[in-house]
Amino acid sequence: DTAVSQTPKYLVTQMGNDKSIKCEQNLGHDTMYWYKQDSKKFLKIMFSYNNKELIINETVPNRFSPKSPDKAHLNLHINSLELGDSAVYFCASSQDAGGNNEQFFGPGTRLTVL
Amino acid sequence: AQSVTQLGSHVSVSEGALVLLRCNYSSSVPPYLFWYVQYPNQGLQLLLKYTTGATLVKGINGFEAEFKKSETSFHLTKPSAHMSDAAEYFCAVRGSNYKLTFGKGTLLTVNP
Repeated sequence: DTAVSQTPKYLVTQMGNDKSIKCEQNLGHDTMYWYKQDSKKFLKIMFSYNNKELIINETVPNRFSPKSPDKAHLNLHINSLELGDSAVYFCASSQDAGGNNEQFFGPGTRLTVL
Repeated sequence: AQSVTQLGSHVSVSEGALVLLRCNYSSSVPPYLFWYVQYPNQGLQLLLKYTTGATLVKGINGFEAEFKKSETSFHLTKPSAHMSDAAEYFCAVRGSNYKLTFGKGTLLTVNP
């Protein structure tokens, strides 16, 4: 009965490869997010979707492409992986895009690019 | 635009001592403020939040925080630290856009 789940939990891959991370929430929320947490624990928003529409698109290389097939899913595809992409990626969701809403976080996906 | 500054990347306290984690923010509009906790190898969990109304907010695990507009602060406190409180703590602000901006985090260690 996990609220926000991500797969895989760990991902080790070579430079230049393409990989995807999947996220699902069973909370019935309208809004989902992707965050990147670097090695110094700094957490930064990458993307946000509200009802399958992109509402936040930070300055992220266009090698990163989010995709929301429905409200419960937000996947992250990364092309041509680089060493600097190594980080922990967190998916989150909230009831809607309102500013006072709590965001519920998934357990994270640790991506290591060799 | 909004930003968050957490003073002290690492705070160490003895078990039973007061915990004080500092957070200052900037926001061009009345902010929504949050404290999240991250235990090792886990996602973030909400401790408490301030939206409107009472400026002293109580959260889970005995934590509380006070919104002080004049000081642009939202410091997190707990009267008596427990070993299980050892974790990374993040202050966050949500301002005029949809974005939640996080501080750089404060690692709390609790010594026996």
